[in-house]
Amino acid sequence: GAGVSQSPSNKVTEKGKDVELRCDPISGHTALYWYRQSLGQGLEFLIYFQGNSAPDKSGLPSDRFSAERTGGSVSTLTIQRTQQEDSAVYLCASNIAGSTDTQYFGPGTRLTVL
Amino acid sequence: SQQGEEDPQALSIQEGENATMNCSYKTSINNLQWYRQNSGRGLVHLILIRSNEREKHSGRLRVTLDTSKKSSSLLITASRAADTASYFCATVKMDSSYKLIFGSGTRLLVRP
Repeated sequence: GAGVSQSPSNKVTEKGKDVELRCDPISGHTALYWYRQSLGQGLEFLIYFQGNSAPDKSGLPSDRFSAERTGGSVSTLTIQRTQQEDSAVYLCASNIAGSTDTQYFGPGTRLTVL
Repeated sequence: SQQGEEDPQALSIQEGENATMNCSYKTSINNLQWYRQNSGRGLVHLILIRSNEREKHSGRLRVTLDTSKKSSSLLITASRAADTASYFCATVKMDSSYKLIFGSGTRLLVRP
């Protein structure tokens, strides 16, 4: 079936504006992850959703970041009052809940904050 | 903070040569995975090695894991120009967490 999809592919915004990034996981995957990759860096974990359990938000860098997952499928990552340091590629991944195995990544959203 | 460190940060080789990338980590792990990233976008899973395994092969890829040294290596044999990409190791810790902890990556350039 289809892989993980993310939208938009690219987003340019002005400092101080809010942005919403969307992730559509693979059908049937109950675990969903958000990661952030700043320029030339490795990936940094942000948040993890597992089925109906409370999400693991331990990687969110500030209270300007939030995420939700509606109906156990699509997830939205919201960044409020964006700052220039928020510029990065935001990657979403999914797999079977409870699995420590392969995560399937989407193509990412490149966010540029001017 | 990231757990994994990789070396070299960048590697340039001639097509046909072998490429070796190393990864070190800090805590006990459930497994270690290698991912490839083209053009700074989506990651593609290459291979997974569990903490009770020492070596694994997949096509031209060979991964080793030394849990006593908390290190892993990825060997790409007979490299091709199409192997040019960034390669990341990622670990899953030996706790109830399922998140991947990524290294900083190795940028591989394979010259035709």
